[in-house]
Amino acid sequence: GAVVSQHPSRVICKSGTSVKIECRSLDFQATTMFWYRQFPKQSLMLMATSNEGSKATYEQGVEKDKFLINHASLTLSTLTVTSAHPEDSSFYICSANLPGGPPDTQYFGPGTRLTVL
Amino acid sequence: QKEVEQDPGPLSVPEGAIVSLNCTYSNSAFQYFMWYRQYSRKGPELLMYTYSSGNKEDGRFTAQVDKSSKYISLFIRDSQPSDSATYLCAMSAGGGGSNYKLTFGKGTLLTVNP
Repeated sequence: GAVVSQHPSRVICKSGTSVKIECRSLDFQATTMFWYRQFPKQSLMLMATSNEGSKATYEQGVEKDKFLINHASLTLSTLTVTSAHPEDSSFYICSANLPGGPPDTQYFGPGTRLTVL
Repeated sequence: QKEVEQDPGPLSVPEGAIVSLNCTYSNSAFQYFMWYRQYSRKGPELLMYTYSSGNKEDGRFTAQVDKSSKYISLFIRDSQPSDSATYLCAMSAGGGGSNYKLTFGKGTLLTVNP
């Protein structure tokens, strides 16, 4: 149980385009999902917390107009990187809390590698 | 001082060795402690979860938490080449508000040589 998927696993795009990444909880309903960014040899940096049916909560320094998050259902959250630039190239990972599971435990997706040319 | 400190390594051991990984932290409010394993270019996988101080064992893995010293450890017995990965410690204060957020260590890169 507690499987989280992400799509796509890898995306290459041109500078200025927008990219959408999907995060799905496959075998449970997730009221809360999280989006992280990880640069090479660095730890995970929380970007935002996504709550089903409400606006996402962004961490300090994360541009909410650039990183659009939509949590439209209990099994799907999306992250859209708008007008992507090379400095947005990174590994984007989502996670979800398992209802009824150990408090604060997050289950992670496999990640999406974004390369902006 | 960072909230969570973790030696990034790299750590290289022979197959069969006992591996000790650890993290220190400064926030005394942390009470939930986790260890994640992350293979290259993959998402983190939950290995161990511990609440408050104490030990927890799961197969070849043992997690220890010493809240008085603000120190947590992960031991891997009979290490295997398949254990080669980055190990991340994570912790949270729990409860409502923003306390559910996880604070991660930088991760320790482990290589187990056959």
